[in-house]
Amino acid sequence: NAGVTQTPKFQVLKTGQSMTLQCAQDMNHEYMSWYRQDPGMGLRLIHYSVGAGITDQGEVPNGYNVSRSTTEDFPLRLLSAAPSQTSVYFCASSYASGGINEQFFGPGTRLTVL
Amino acid sequence: ILNVEQSPQSLHVQEGDSTNFTCSFPSSNFYALHWYRWETAKSPEALFVMTLNGDEKKKGRISATLNTKEGYSYLYIKGSQPEDSATYLCASQGGGADGLTFGKGTHLIIQP
Repeated sequence: NAGVTQTPKFQVLKTGQSMTLQCAQDMNHEYMSWYRQDPGMGLRLIHYSVGAGITDQGEVPNGYNVSRSTTEDFPLRLLSAAPSQTSVYFCASSYASGGINEQFFGPGTRLTVL
Repeated sequence: ILNVEQSPQSLHVQEGDSTNFTCSFPSSNFYALHWYRWETAKSPEALFVMTLNGDEKKKGRISATLNTKEGYSYLYIKGSQPEDSATYLCASQGGGADGLTFGKGTHLIIQP
């Protein structure tokens, strides 16, 4: 199993550009989440999904869109990038085990917005 | 939004010494408490998940306890080794299968 994969690993954008961060998992996990990690802020939840076709907002959803058309994929879209979105983005997936949401993390995408 | 606090923010420990740090979380709407270990340039990896008041989990030299009534968890490392150097994250999971709310982590440095 590849686990949770993310592409790209690094990305530089100009303000106003759009892009999609890709996330895929091959563990047949129902739950998938996106976090951003900023210095001194820890991991903050952006959006999450409890299954295909279902998404919900986390703590910091503004400026990001998600969709979940398949169990495996959970892309994160930046519609109009801003310097405040410079961060490291982690995708995570979880199996359903009595509702406990133990997360398996991808390697991260480091995004810089100029 | 659950507010999860970890202390201390960073910690320097001599190799061979034992240490512990704290995670505090709101006790209302509590479902589970997670501990993760995060090494530099890697992804966070799960250490423990605990749900019941009084739970105690152990993995090698690392153990954790949970008090859901007062809203805190301790992580203990016995006989610290250089490979224990990492950031230790705790995260609280609210009722059901919601996403996790993470603390800012405790950055542990083991000095030889």
